[in-house]
Amino acid sequence: QVQLQESGPGLVKPSQALSLTCTVSGGSIISGTYYWSWVRQSAGKGLEWIGCSQTSGTTSYDPSLKSRLTISVDTSKNQFSLRLNSVTAADTAVYYCARGLQGRSAYYYYYYLDVWGKGTSVTVSS
Amino acid sequence: SSELTQDPAVSVALGQTVRITCQGDSLRSYYASWYQQKPGQAPVLVIYGKDNRPSGIPDRFSGSSSGDTASLTINGAQAEDEADYYCNSRDSRTFWVFGGGTKLTVL
Repeated sequence: QVQLQESGPGLVKPSQALSLTCTVSGGSIISGTYYWSWVRQSAGKGLEWIGCSQTSGTTSYDPSLKSRLTISVDTSKNQFSLRLNSVTAADTAVYYCARGLQGRSAYYYYYYLDVWGKGTSVTVSS
Repeated sequence: SSELTQDPAVSVALGQTVRITCQGDSLRSYYASWYQQKPGQAPVLVIYGKDNRPSGIPDRFSGSSSGDTASLTINGAQAEDEADYYCNSRDSRTFWVFGGGTKLTVL
């Protein structure tokens, strides 16, 4: 049973970088074709997909965050990470890591996030 | 703003059937996935693909799709089904996108 656990500082100053790590346990990060993903949720708001990385190094980012965002996978540590530069109060949120997969039926592809971490709260404040 | 549109709130009487919908152009090309989120908890996948349920998800949850609209149906809603529900799909612009979420109240 694969489990994910986020870690990182709960408080970041404005204009600094936010760095979070997601540790994968119960399975290898390279055992399949996965999209190692980050999702965030501001207080009282909906889920916002941030971006993902495959172990190949291929990444996809939300266009609104792309200029500030880096997601990477460290296969030696069975971890993947998020770095968001130049943060503002708008980046205050609960950040979730999740495992994404692709499937295919007769007509359509589909993508889904099957395993999630419990989330970690990040506040941007001086 | 989300490229997938959901009704902000839906209510259902205990034991009755409720349908939660999600609309967007990307759903003409990809199936949606659905997530249940209870207060203070991480989202949980309840439906993916055409109509697949992960292990442990009750069979009262089902999914369907037609044109640009995906639906999550709960047959015989229970009190424990009260939660926020989000749809999610691949998107040509953002790669992955969530709907704005639907708050389900079980009366």
